[in-house]
Order: sequence, then C-alpha cells, then structure tokens
Amino acid sequence: DGGITQSPKYLFRKEGQNVTLSCEQNLNHDAMYWYRQDPGQGLRLIYYSQIVNDFQKGDIAEGYSVSREKKESFPLTVTSAQKNPTAFYLCASSVGLAGNTDTQYFGPGTRLTVL
Amino acid sequence: AQSVTQLDSHVSVSEGTPVLLRCNYSSSYSPSLFWYVQHPNKGLQLLLKYTSAATLVKGINGFEAEFKKSETSFHLTKPSAHMSDAAEYFCVVSPISGGYQKVTFGTGTKLQVIP
Repeated sequence: DGGITQSPKYLFRKEGQNVTLSCEQNLNHDAMYWYRQDPGQGLRLIYYSQIVNDFQKGDIAEGYSVSREKKESFPLTVTSAQKNPTAFYLCASSVGLAGNTDTQYFGPGTRLTVL
Repeated sequence: AQSVTQLDSHVSVSEGTPVLLRCNYSSSYSPSLFWYVQHPNKGLQLLLKYTSAATLVKGINGFEAEFKKSETSFHLTKPSAHMSDAAEYFCVVSPISGGYQKVTFGTGTKLQVIP
C-alpha cells in the first residue's frame, strides 16, 4: 500500500532531551512537510522540503530541526530548545509545490508528551 | 496576505439531517481551497478541493462545497449526516501561485452526529 508512515505513535520525553520523529513515504513525492497541531488551532507549518538535501523553515521552526537525505524520509528532531513541545505532530507529502494546487497526503501523526 | 475563518468551532446535527460547515477566506491571489477531515488521533484526509474549475465541487463520502467569490465563502455541505461523519473538518486556502508558506489552515470545526 502506498502512503505515509509516522513512528512512534506516542512519544514521551523528559525535559532537556532531544527526540526524533520518523516520517517515511512511498508515494514518490518530491515535497514533504511537518506540522504541529494544538487543540483549537489549525495546523502550523514547522519545516518543508521541496527536494532531497533542501528544506525551508516554516512559521514555527524554532526549537526544531530536520534533514532530507533521502526522497522518502523526512525526520523531525524536537530539541531541548523547544519550550513547549507537547503536541500532535503531522507529516505530509505532495507531488510538488508547483502552483499550490497539489493535494497533501498526511501520515497518522505522532503525539509527543513532555513529562 | 490571506486568512481563513471557520465560523463554527462545533456543529451538532442529528443523523440523517443536512450538514453545513462554514468557511470564509480572504486572499490577495486567486485561491485554491480545500476541505480536509480528521478523525480522532488520525492524520488529515482530503475531502475535496477547488482549483478554479467548476465552482461546485463534489468530494468523497457525499460531501460537496461551493466556491462563491462574491461572498468569499467555501462552505461544506452534505444532504444527510451519518454517524461516521463525526470528526473535525479543516478548511484550507492557498494561492494558486506562490510559495508554500502561504498555505493557511482554518482552526477546525468539530462535527457531532447525534443518533
């Protein structure tokens, strides 16, 4: 089956620790995205990548880092510099960014809780 | 600049009655408009999208939406609600041209379906 997988589904972190969230897609999409979702708010863009070895900051990139070494993988690291990391994290991909008419396909999400 | 407003944070309907979820937008560009659905603790799934073709857009699961430029609206409707429609719905706006940064998610409408 084609799609996007995220792991783990639930993640607990102690304050001061870095954690990495996995996102893998087998849709052969060029573009990938990371969003953060908090209750009562829309999705907010953390980072996006149009192509391998290239990525751009979104609206709330502070305290996060990403890499795009392979087309199918776009891991997100939540660093200790992120002051309020407890949230639901969603990864998405699309064929490309051209024209912004592309549909984004979302993974099932990772719920991160800081203890 | 662009924005999207979902006019109701919660909507409650009885099973078998019509559904109306309201979305208003503002955009300096000709917009693409999307509706996504999210079931609890899941990723988002595309319901339908408008990309400057027909103004009445039909989506999955019996949903449809009408793009009304004069009213800057893109309301989501369904003639008869099913229990499985209970979820959160997001309206999304992006310009047809421009960088990804300009994609904006609404804050969501939670739909409750009463048996």
